[in-house]
Amino acid sequence: EAQVTQNPRYLITVTGKKLTVTCSQNMNHEYMSWYRQDPGLGLRQIYYSMNVEVTDKGDVPEGYKVSRKEKRNFPLILESPSPNQTSLYFCASSLRPQGGYTFGSGTRLTVV
Amino acid sequence: AQKVTQAQTEISVVEKEDVTLDCVYETRDTTYYLFWYKQPPSGELVFLIRRNSFDEQNEISGRYSWNFQKSTSSFNFTITASQVVDSAVYFCALSEAFYGGSQGNLIFGKGTKLSVKP
Repeated sequence: EAQVTQNPRYLITVTGKKLTVTCSQNMNHEYMSWYRQDPGLGLRQIYYSMNVEVTDKGDVPEGYKVSRKEKRNFPLILESPSPNQTSLYFCASSLRPQGGYTFGSGTRLTVV
Repeated sequence: AQKVTQAQTEISVVEKEDVTLDCVYETRDTTYYLFWYKQPPSGELVFLIRRNSFDEQNEISGRYSWNFQKSTSSFNFTITASQVVDSAVYFCALSEAFYGGSQGNLIFGKGTKLSVKP
């Protein structure tokens, strides 16, 4: 089944404790993106990747890192999480964004 | 600048009513793509439709229909004979072919929460 898999689905952590949210897709897509969803703000792009080793900032990149060492994986790294990073995070992939993204199931992160 | 506006924050209807969700967009591109996604209470984002800027034909898929009007920069979504299972947050989104293409970015509206009561 074609899908984008994110892990974990839920995560509660403490301020400053490094964490990684994994994302993997099995569709051989070039593009991958991370979005965060906050009430009243919709979805905003954090980082995106056009291909292996090619990544760039989206609209809200502060406090996040990404890497794209393999085509299928695009982990999101929070080196020192803070409470304002409490959010619902989505990973997405696409052959080309104009065709629309396939989204993962989401990761609900709470930073206390 | 590119922008998507969904002016209706929440809508509540009774089952079997028709309901229209509004979407207005702004873009610098002449070539662009519009989308609707559904987010049910379980939280995942489900792709509903994609429309490119050169195709103004309206589309119908079962109880769903979409009305794209370039003259008013709108891409509205209508659910006919709504059902409880239609209760969700619906997002309209825009992808620009030129300005946004290299970033792979979808610009999302803030969403409309639809509640369909039995």
